[in-house]
Amino acid sequence: ETGVTQSPTHLIKTRGQQVTLRCSSQSGHNTVSWYQQALGQGPQFIFQYYREEENGRGNFPPRFSGLQFPNYSSELNVNALELDDSALYLCASSPPGGWDTQYFGPGTRLTVL
Amino acid sequence: AQRVTQPEKLLSVFKGAPVELKCNYSYSGSPELFWYVQYSRQRLQLLLRHISRESIKGFTADLNKGETSFHLKKPFAQEEDSAMYYCALDLIQGAQKLVFGQGTRLTINP
Repeated sequence: ETGVTQSPTHLIKTRGQQVTLRCSSQSGHNTVSWYQQALGQGPQFIFQYYREEENGRGNFPPRFSGLQFPNYSSELNVNALELDDSALYLCASSPPGGWDTQYFGPGTRLTVL
Repeated sequence: AQRVTQPEKLLSVFKGAPVELKCNYSYSGSPELFWYVQYSRQRLQLLLRHISRESIKGFTADLNKGETSFHLKKPFAQEEDSAMYYCALDLIQGAQKLVFGQGTRLTINP
């Protein structure tokens, strides 16, 4: 069974640019959640996708957007990057009926200069 | 607003000593709480969840609604327990939309 994978591992962008981060959910999982983890902080919920639809959103501006594909993989897009967007971005997937079960990927480290 | 507070950023204990990592929450409703752990160079993983009333790797956590706490405890710490620990609250029961605390770095000294 393959776990949650994310790409790329690291990324450096400049302020104002746009970025796309990718996540492949664990086999059989149909729900994907994205989190932002700033240095020294706990993860913060960005949004969740279930069956290709956004299924809840945290306190993040609209320039954070996402997609989920029919194979349940997902993308996180961030437009107009700001310095404060520098963080580790975590993806987590959950199985159908996966009450209380969420599996995290290794994260993508984004640095905005 | 829903919030999770872990008052200790760092905690250091000796091997064999008891460990208690504190977690307090703010939530209007019946909370669903978790402890996640991140060992060095590994990904974040679930340690335990309150509804399961499990004991994982010797750790237990009891939900105290009166004190709005969910402290993680282990009677005898082991060196392999050194890790980053996060307490988390589900925004909606079963939804897996988690609010995390800041985390506590636990170091077990030999």
